[in-house]
Amino acid sequence: DGGITQSPKYLFRKEGQNVTLSCEQNLNHDAMYWYRQDPGQGLRLIYYSQIVNDFQKGDIAEGYSVSREKKESFPLTVTSAQKNPTAFYLCASSMGTYSNQPQHFGDGTRLSIL
Amino acid sequence: KQEVTQIPAALSVPEGENLVLNCSFTDSAIYNLQWFRQDPGKGLTSLLLIQSSQREQTSGRLNASLDKSSGRSTLYIAASQPGDSATYLCAVRSNQGGKLIFGQGTELSVKP
Repeated sequence: DGGITQSPKYLFRKEGQNVTLSCEQNLNHDAMYWYRQDPGQGLRLIYYSQIVNDFQKGDIAEGYSVSREKKESFPLTVTSAQKNPTAFYLCASSMGTYSNQPQHFGDGTRLSIL
Repeated sequence: KQEVTQIPAALSVPEGENLVLNCSFTDSAIYNLQWFRQDPGKGLTSLLLIQSSQREQTSGRLNASLDKSSGRSTLYIAASQPGDSATYLCAVRSNQGGKLIFGQGTELSVKP
């Protein structure tokens, strides 16, 4: 089945630690996205990538970093500079940034502070 | 700056009722609009996508309309069922940069 796989489902971060969230897709999509969801708020865009080896900051990129070395993979690193990382993180993909095909989402990773 | 608002934030209805969820946006220069469903602790499932040139889309008991000039979209759910209980989010794709801008969602509860 084609889809997006996010891992792990739950992640705990210690003070001063960097953690990396995995996102893999087998939909052959060019564009991939990372969103953050907080209770009572909609999704906010962290980073997005339109093609391999290229990515752009979204609305809340501070304290996060990404890479896009392969078409299928778009890992997100939450650095120690992100002071309020507790949230639900969602990865998505689509044919292209201006596609009229819908974005597909993974099942998310819930990150908490120890 | 595009802003997307969904009203109401929460809605509880008895099973079998027809209902309407509302979504409004401030900038009519959109590429398309999507409605998503989110179950607790899960990702988003795309329900309907309306292109900027379209007025409505239908899928089963769901019908979504788009009025760009007034900056509004509605999601109509016919004959609601307990399985429809979820949070429904709308998102507009901007003409500038192609990013999706999300509303805060409407949490729907359908009581048996």
